[in-house]
Order: sequence, then C-alpha cells, then structure tokens
Amino acid sequence: EAGVAQSPRYKIIEKRQSVAFWCNPISGHATLYWYQQILGQGPKLLIQFQNNGVVDDSQLPKDRFSAERLKGVDSTLKIQPAKLEDSAVYLCASSSGGPRDSYEQYFGPGTRLTVT
Amino acid sequence: AQKITQTQPGMFVQEKEAVTLDCTYDTSDQSYGLFWYKQPSSGEMIFLIYQGSYDEQNATEGRYSLNFQKARKSANLVISASQLGDSAMYFCAMREGSGGGKLIFGQGTELSVKP
Repeated sequence: EAGVAQSPRYKIIEKRQSVAFWCNPISGHATLYWYQQILGQGPKLLIQFQNNGVVDDSQLPKDRFSAERLKGVDSTLKIQPAKLEDSAVYLCASSSGGPRDSYEQYFGPGTRLTVT
Repeated sequence: AQKITQTQPGMFVQEKEAVTLDCTYDTSDQSYGLFWYKQPSSGEMIFLIYQGSYDEQNATEGRYSLNFQKARKSANLVISASQLGDSAMYFCAMREGSGGGKLIFGQGTELSVKP
C-alpha cells in the first residue's frame, strides 16, 4: 500500500513570503496530523484532523498558519507570512484512528522549509 | 501535563552489541500508549514498537524490545545485535488515552553504531 505522500520535499523562501505544503494520507485513514520539527527537537503537533473536522489545533499559530482538509482526504498547510523561526521540517502523518487506537501513526517524508 | 524525557543526546555502540536508549514519561492518565520511532538522516519517521499502559508483557519486535517499568514511568528501548544501519535519531513518544490522539515526543537520542 502507498505511504503518506508530501510535497514539496524542500522549499526555500524569504521571510514574509507565503508557502503551502500538501499531504496525501494513506488511503482510508481518517485521522491526519501535521507536525513541526525544528532542528534538534522532536516533532510537535500543529493540527489534527478527524475526517475533515479539526480535533486539535491548540498549538497552531493561527495568526500565520492555516490548514484545511476539505474532502477528508488530502490536506494543505499554509504559512503566511513566514518568519525565520518557521524554518523546520513539516511532517504529515495519518492513522486509521479507530476507537481502540493502539495503531501507530504513519509519517510522510516531510517538507524541509528554510526561511531566509 | 504530558512530558517525555530522553536524557541521552548521543550514544555510541559497537556493531553486534546491545544498546539501551532511555525514556521516562510523565502523565496523570491511567490509559496511554508509548511509542518508539527511528529517524534516519533522510528524515522519515519509522515506527519501531508500541507499548500500551495496560499491557503486562514488554513489547518486542524483532531486534527491538521495550523495557516497560510502569511504577518508574520508564519505557526504555533495547536494540539487540546493533547493525550499522541502526545509526539514526531515536524518538520516544506518548499518547494519552486509547483514541487517535496526538503524540508527544521527546528530544531524541542520536545513536551511532561503530564497525
């Protein structure tokens, strides 16, 4: 089965510009996560979707970050305007999200963003 | 609040030897899950092993085992017979409850396997 797909893999932008990342989860996975991983740290959740509804966006900087999952499948994460501290790897993950969810989250390859 | 602590920023191990990566956690929930992920230099997060808080036996997956000590709130990863391809960052993570909630990650341990 195909894994989690993300694009682009790398992006370099100047501060104050905007950028968008795309994620396609594993087919049939209801739950989708966006994590931010700053160099030298573990990933931190930005937003979690269950189908097309937001479950947790408590750590999403909503003044500049937005995310959507309109049809409960693909998702986009946008940053506008970008700041230097947004330089990080943005990881998308998905899980089947069943009620007895011991299931692991499957991660995509990530998008490495550099803000100059 | 949930917290994961990995106190070893870097570890070295000789090829074919066993190594233990430490992880302690803090939670007030009775139901939670503990995960270990491997992150090679290519960047992808690879799931290794899972331990549920109610599981009585330590989890094992091939060369990986999780030494779960609930009273001490520790979930150490043991890699037996280290291989050169095991060189990577290793992250311990926790999820509260039994639903599909977010993972809280530790800072990671960089493992280097020497030939």
